[in-house]
Amino acid sequence: DAGVIQSPRHEVTEMGQEVTLRCKPISGHDYLFWYRQTMMRGLELLIYFNNNVPIDDSGMPEDRFSAKMPNASFSTLKIQPSEPRDSAVYFCASRFSGGNTGELFFGEGSRLTVL
Amino acid sequence: GQQLNQSPQSMFIQEGEDVSMNCTSSSIFNTWLWYKQEPGEGPVLLIALYKAGELTSNGRLTAQFGITRKDSFLNISASIPSDVGIYFCAGRTAGSARQLTFGSGTQLTVLP
Repeated sequence: DAGVIQSPRHEVTEMGQEVTLRCKPISGHDYLFWYRQTMMRGLELLIYFNNNVPIDDSGMPEDRFSAKMPNASFSTLKIQPSEPRDSAVYFCASRFSGGNTGELFFGEGSRLTVL
Repeated sequence: GQQLNQSPQSMFIQEGEDVSMNCTSSSIFNTWLWYKQEPGEGPVLLIALYKAGELTSNGRLTAQFGITRKDSFLNISASIPSDVGIYFCAGRTAGSARQLTFGSGTQLTVLP
């Protein structure tokens, strides 16, 4: 079975440019999460969706960050304009809410470098 | 908010040695999870614990859900080079709307 699929795996961009990260969750999973990982702050939850609806975006650092989930199989995280301090690895994760084993499955991450 | 204290931050051990790491929380959790992250990859679930006192094994890995529900530990027996990575604990409270709180991770290095 395919896991959580993220793209791009690596992105290098210049300050001020728009960045769009993409995620395809595991089929049938009803929760989708976006995390950011840095050495300084570890894993931070940015936003999560339930059945395509954003539930909690309190972790989104600034208005420059936005996330959408237009359907059950696709989500985007957009940064506009990007800044060097946004450099991090961004993970998408999904889970199925039913049963005891509905735990998070992570994608391989998108490593973002903003110059 | 909830906080998890994970220790140690890093460990350097000889191949064949046993490893122990733990997490403590200021809140009561109803789920404890242990993940492993290898370089360039996302975290992968190793063990999930759902009941206080539960002891669960996955090969050479053993994890326990503390009786107080505020702590958990992970043991790795007879470490091998492929055990290298960052190990994260994560916990969930009953009222957390299915959000996980992650520990800061334990970086494990296994020396041949």
